[in-house]
Amino acid sequence: SQQGEEDPQALSIQEGENATMNCSYKTSINNLQWYRQNSGRGLVHLILIRSNEREKHSGRLRVTLDTSKKSSSLLITASRAADTASYFCATPGIMGSSNTGKLIFGQGTTLQVKP
Amino acid sequence: NAGVTQTPKFRVLKTGQSMTLLCAQDMNHEYMYWYRQDPGMGLRLIHYSVGEGTTAKGEVPDGYNVSRLKKQNFLLGLESAAPSQTSVYFCASSYNIQGSYNSPLHFGNGTRLTVT
Repeated sequence: SQQGEEDPQALSIQEGENATMNCSYKTSINNLQWYRQNSGRGLVHLILIRSNEREKHSGRLRVTLDTSKKSSSLLITASRAADTASYFCATPGIMGSSNTGKLIFGQGTTLQVKP
Repeated sequence: NAGVTQTPKFRVLKTGQSMTLLCAQDMNHEYMYWYRQDPGMGLRLIHYSVGEGTTAKGEVPDGYNVSRLKKQNFLLGLESAAPSQTSVYFCASSYNIQGSYNSPLHFGNGTRLTVT
């Protein structure tokens, strides 16, 4: 069963604009991760935010987490053509208070940045 | 460091044929995983291993077998390929159990398999 769902499914913007992608999940989590996948390549880990954090930055990336709404957002500022990729959120399955060891991925948001 | 390397990159099989996908990692990671990625289905875990000599079933294990004879290698086998196994297969590894704070997944670049 899916844990994370990204929104929108697809996003097209001009270079220099900001891109915001959202992720909603269903159960309690202790962290949430974002990955990027370029066409024809494997996923690459971007950033991890813990459940006790509300916001985290890494370069042009800003991730927020609202555990009360069970949602997270990934903001890419000043986008570049090289940011064109699919972006996935992933959350660990939790049983009780334990990590099940299964990372559950959402369907992803496909971002196109036009030069 | 090469990271996670998958071979082959592409393969076409006929129904009923068998094949083995090889995954190798040079990061000394204990944990290794095989996923399949299909349009509209996202990434689904097939099998995983928590250390040399151990394997466990994931979400969609039927029709696949795995082996982890060496810590750095994780093999995925299809004994009798079916068209439903047409997919892109990704191998991944991690230092600690996936979902842990200090243990992001490292992915290979995938194997695109077509079964006709």
